[in-house]
Amino acid sequence: GQNIDQPTEMTATEGAIVQINCTYQTSGFNGLFWYQQHAGEAPTFLSYNVLDGLEEKGRFSSFLSRSKGYSYLLLKELQMKDSASYLCAGVKAAGNKLTFGGGTRVLVKP
Amino acid sequence: KAGVTQTPRYLIKTRGQQVTLSCSPISGHRSVSWYQQTPGQGLQFLFEYFSETQRNKGNFPGRFSGRQFSNSRSEMNVSTLELGDSALYLCASRWGTGADTEAFFGQGTRLTVV
Repeated sequence: GQNIDQPTEMTATEGAIVQINCTYQTSGFNGLFWYQQHAGEAPTFLSYNVLDGLEEKGRFSSFLSRSKGYSYLLLKELQMKDSASYLCAGVKAAGNKLTFGGGTRVLVKP
Repeated sequence: KAGVTQTPRYLIKTRGQQVTLSCSPISGHRSVSWYQQTPGQGLQFLFEYFSETQRNKGNFPGRFSGRQFSNSRSEMNVSTLELGDSALYLCASRWGTGADTEAFFGQGTRLTVV
């Protein structure tokens, strides 16, 4: 199969850093997306990695290692508004089907 | 630019009924995908349409169907509803068909089957 695994829940303190890991079978996907979803709202795009390495975008960074089937989303200088679910999704080279992990609920505490 | 619009936002149906959900993609986007989101299974792909043609289909029973119109608006239909069909149904639109094309999601339709 092409399971995508990520932790169910993480808790962190305001101002801290949290790293959300995502693992998948290496033969499945060519690229990895990260989406943020606040409760009751639509998922919104955070990042896309197709090449190995780190992509930095403000407080959020995403890393991909295709050979290891591993990605992570790094959230720095956490703010209360960052409390949300973070979804890792793989995509194949051809086609638009996104295969999602179960999502990681991040709770930011004061 | 208006975002992805899904109607209705909330729906309550009885087992055995059928339901039609609507999705209007962002203007200029021709790819529309549908996903089912439940607490237990997360986000699961239903199907994808591009230029009125179904390009991909997920592992859902034949009770789930969809179509896309010439203006790129899409509908999905679920017949003979079951309690387990209760979920948030999300529609995502893309400009193109490349794997790296960002998907924009609508607010979803929350379907409750009683």
